[in-house]
Amino acid sequence: GAGVSQSPSNKVTEKGKDVELRCDPISGHTALYWYRQSLGQGLEFLIYFQGNSAPDKSGLPSDRFSAERTGGSVSTLTIQRTQQEDSAVYLCASSSQAPDTQYFGPGTRLTVL
Amino acid sequence: QKEVEQDPGPLSVPEGAIVSLNCTYSNSAFQYFMWYRQYSRKGPELLMYTYSSGNKEDGRFTAQVDKSSKYISLFIRDSQPSDSATYLCAMTKMDSSYKLIFGSGTRLLVRP
Repeated sequence: GAGVSQSPSNKVTEKGKDVELRCDPISGHTALYWYRQSLGQGLEFLIYFQGNSAPDKSGLPSDRFSAERTGGSVSTLTIQRTQQEDSAVYLCASSSQAPDTQYFGPGTRLTVL
Repeated sequence: QKEVEQDPGPLSVPEGAIVSLNCTYSNSAFQYFMWYRQYSRKGPELLMYTYSSGNKEDGRFTAQVDKSSKYISLFIRDSQPSDSATYLCAMTKMDSSYKLIFGSGTRLLVRP
């Protein structure tokens, strides 16, 4: 079956621009997670959705970061006024319900010039 | 100090060797333990998932958890060049989100 998909696979943007990253979870998975992977910080949790609500946003690094999920399916991570330190691979994962196995997508590689 | 510590390597071994990968953690609240494998420019894929102390075997892979020492290991027998990847340990607490806390990852190279 189809796994987690993310788009775009690569995104290059200029400092100060806004970007939107998309995640399509495995069909029927109610739990969705966003993580960020960077050279200096490793793989870090950003936000967790259960259905359309986000009970854990504790990993979002600043108020420039936001995310939403609609229809219990697709999620969008938005970064406003991007900074160079936002350059990283943004990974999405889904599971049928926490704490079941989290399946990861291929990631979006974001480069802020 | 990070909650989960993992030697970044790189670790280089000849084909057929037994590989030992390890992580230590500081928070006794961690209850579920996982090992993920990540190939270059790909997302992590789950290899092993355990929630109790002891050993769990799956083919060439054995995961070991020692909660009293806060130490987990992954053993790979008869290593193959295709095992060359970054191996990430991950763990989670029994809370509302079960978010994963990752080690920094160990790069493994298996030489033919």
